[in-house]
Amino acid sequence: NAGVMQNPRHLVRRRGQEARLRCSPMKGHSHVYWYRQLPEEGLKFMVYLQKENIIDESGMPKERFSAEFPKEGPSILRIQQVVRGDSAAYFCASSPFLRDRGRNAEAFFGQGTRLTVV
Amino acid sequence: GENVEQHPSTLSVQEGDSAVIKCTYSDSASNYFPWYKQELGKRPQLIIDIRSNVGEKKDQRIAVTLNKTAKHFSLHITETQPEDSAVYFCAASKSGTYKYIFGTGTRLKVLA
Repeated sequence: NAGVMQNPRHLVRRRGQEARLRCSPMKGHSHVYWYRQLPEEGLKFMVYLQKENIIDESGMPKERFSAEFPKEGPSILRIQQVVRGDSAAYFCASSPFLRDRGRNAEAFFGQGTRLTVV
Repeated sequence: GENVEQHPSTLSVQEGDSAVIKCTYSDSASNYFPWYKQELGKRPQLIIDIRSNVGEKKDQRIAVTLNKTAKHFSLHITETQPEDSAVYFCAASKSGTYKYIFGTGTRLKVLA
């Protein structure tokens, strides 16, 4: 099991361009969470997706950001018209099921994509 | 809204000493509290977690305590080693989700 795979690891975009970040969850995992980590700060929840569904997007900025997790292929976090303030590390995590008392699985994080907007 | 406060933001200890990091959460419905270690440029890695039906959990040199009444939980690292140097994050979540509310992190330096 290769773990949670994110690509690219580093992404440089000019202001106004689009950034596409990919996350392939661990095999058998159908739940994906995206987090953003600004420099020298903690991780902030952005969005939670299951296959073909957005479950919770309460942490997503209202404009320019979107996420999807299609039936086939990786989850994509898309940032349109990037600005300097979007520069951050974006992490995704995956889990096999909902967390409840009877199950002890953890959510595994990917290595992150470090986005730099110049 | 939901919030997790973490203290201190930086902590330096001598090798072999103990380190304690404290967190406070606001949402009384939170029932799962993981701790993550993040080395520079790497992914956060789970080091220990505790559920609300337990007051303390220990794994070798690492222990976590939880006070549900006060909404406090703490990470204790004993006999610290240089490789323990990293940023540590606490987090809280509710049933049925891995949506975590993270603390702001503690940068731990273990001095040899």
